Amino acid sequence: AQSVTQPDIHITVSEGASLELRCNYSYGATPYLFWYVQSPGQGLQLLLKYFSGDTLVQGIKGFEAEFKRSQSSFNLRKPSVHWSDAAEYFCAVGPSNYQLIWGAGTKLIIKP
Amino acid sequence: GAGVSQSPSNKVTEKGKDVELRCDPISGHTALYWYRQSLGQGLEFLIYFQGNSAPDKSGLPSDRFSAERTGGSVSTLTIQRTQQEDSAVYLCASSLVGGKDTQYFGPGTRLTVL
Repeated sequence: AQSVTQPDIHITVSEGASLELRCNYSYGATPYLFWYVQSPGQGLQLLLKYFSGDTLVQGIKGFEAEFKRSQSSFNLRKPSVHWSDAAEYFCAVGPSNYQLIWGAGTKLIIKP
Repeated sequence: GAGVSQSPSNKVTEKGKDVELRCDPISGHTALYWYRQSLGQGLEFLIYFQGNSAPDKSGLPSDRFSAERTGGSVSTLTIQRTQQEDSAVYLCASSLVGGKDTQYFGPGTRLTVL
């Protein structure tokens, strides 16, 4: 069955520390891959996406993600988090930009 | 410019009543999408519009759900005879032409069915 797993429901990191959010998927072919962020009171915002080509993708707000086909993973990273990064992060995969299977989300908490 | 707007932001209704949720996409965006987000879940696709046509409505969960788009702009999602399991946040998004375009999401309408 097709699925997306974000194994961490919550992650707490100190401001200035590095961050990695995990995303693993089960899908028949190489899908389109997305990371979205949802901040309190705000709509979902696209952080980055992978369709093809270079497997290291740069996004907005200093985020990057690496597609690893052999591991069926698309982990999100940031070298130094800011308090404003506190939000919920969603990984999504699918054959198009809207026919997506979504992970359940990872809530990022920033310690001052 | 203005982003995607949705109204109302909150809607509380009684089981069995009909509700209408509205989405105003970004001006000039031809593609419009509706999603549902239940508590602790990722998004569930409902329907995709290209202009006023809906080439993909495969995500509508039952015939109680319908949507229309007029003038290539505003869209309305209607849920008839609401049930408690319809309680969720309904999100609308738009993109310039569809395909691989970035979707821009509205703030959502939180629907509570008592």
